[in-house]
Amino acid sequence: KNQVEQSPQSLIILEGKNCTLQCNYTVSPFSNLRWYKQDTGRGPVSLTIMTFSENTKSNGRYTATLDADTKQSSLHITASQLSDSASYICVTLNTGFQKLVFGTGTRLLVSP
Amino acid sequence: NAGVMQNPRHLVRRRGQEARLRCSPMKGHSHVYWYRQLPEEGLKFMVYLQKENIIDESGMPKERFSAEFPKEGPSILRIQQVVRGDSAAYFCASSYDSYEQYFGPGTRLTVT
Repeated sequence: KNQVEQSPQSLIILEGKNCTLQCNYTVSPFSNLRWYKQDTGRGPVSLTIMTFSENTKSNGRYTATLDADTKQSSLHITASQLSDSASYICVTLNTGFQKLVFGTGTRLLVSP
Repeated sequence: NAGVMQNPRHLVRRRGQEARLRCSPMKGHSHVYWYRQLPEEGLKFMVYLQKENIIDESGMPKERFSAEFPKEGPSILRIQQVVRGDSAAYFCASSYDSYEQYFGPGTRLTVT
């Protein structure tokens, strides 16, 4: 069982609409949680990094939330643009092993 | 400041041949990480290196795979006697302080 589960697997929304992506993790001990954006054929690019003491963090139209008690995170995208079409990957840092643990991502398609 | 560079971007090898993947970290970064991404799967940690030292290779198969990060020059991930199951995208990331990792564009290896 993957230690980082994301939902939905894929999502199609109309340009201008908002959407929320979910992440549940079981990684322990946990240090921080990251959201990455990966365009097709490219490497992941960091959007936010949140420690367990942070509830929310914004980066432009992207807002990430973290509930360390329930081990859930979400990434909210507002006023979506065509360029938001990509995979969004939830990643946690396993403090014990100092390794990043990746989810399989949510593939977002923003259609005109 | 150029980002993380990887070459080649695409590599085709026949079964049994050797594959060499190169990664040049960002200027000033001494931490390098290699990840593998199989189709429809999340990135998986392979190896973590600092200049001339392997810090953690727990994610790398014990046979046929090796990695180095010499004092001068790029980091090299070497796969000997490739098999079809080695076909994947291999990503390199670099870091200044082992916290924020910056990813390269990846090398897509196809074994025929």
